[in-house]
Amino acid sequence: SYELTQPPSVSVSPGQTARITCSGDALPKKYASWYQQKSGQAPVLVIYEDSKRPSGIPERFSGSSSGTMATLTISGAQVDDEADYYCYSTLFGGGTKLTVL
Amino acid sequence: EVQLVESGGGLVQPGGSLRLSCAASGFRFSSYWMTWVRQAPGKGLEWVANIKQDGSEKKYVDSVKGRFTISRDNANNSVYLQMNSLRAEDTAVYYCATRRGVVGLSNWFDPWGQGTLVTVSS
Repeated sequence: SYELTQPPSVSVSPGQTARITCSGDALPKKYASWYQQKSGQAPVLVIYEDSKRPSGIPERFSGSSSGTMATLTISGAQVDDEADYYCYSTLFGGGTKLTVL
Repeated sequence: EVQLVESGGGLVQPGGSLRLSCAASGFRFSSYWMTWVRQAPGKGLEWVANIKQDGSEKKYVDSVKGRFTISRDNANNSVYLQMNSLRAEDTAVYYCATRRGVVGLSNWFDPWGQGTLVTVSS
């Protein structure tokens, strides 16, 4: 069955660049979207169609996709970016916990 | 303001039923597919069901087929999830979300409701 694989956790210091990957065989044919979920809150869309940023999402959030891997990049990560991040393309990835400290 | 508000969650015994509702406002509800997504305690997101703009197409994750039914009322800007034969593994926060994009190529979910908790336990 189809799966989207994300690393369980990523850790960076404030100001560093965080990269969260999402791998899946269908990604060359289907766009990916990314969601941020802070503790106790509903998910929020941060990237859609691989690299487009919704209005209101800070410019430090960007997305890219190449072959079977999509990547969410947070340039200059802030403490406020600590959250779980999920990719989606037909189904959800398992999620990545981002720690910024 | 674009908003989705879920209701109807609660505690139910195994084998019981529950109907979730999601009220939409601030956008043209009848123009979009709608989706239910759930999240079991401490776990990741799981897509549950989709419904087309006019209700003519419905899709479900395998684990709920035959037990859950998604429906909508465009006159009242609402989408529903009827859940029957509930199991302990259905325990989760259930979110409704607006599905955007091109069917089969690019789908994303925005906005999301705040979620409603369903607990299946005796």
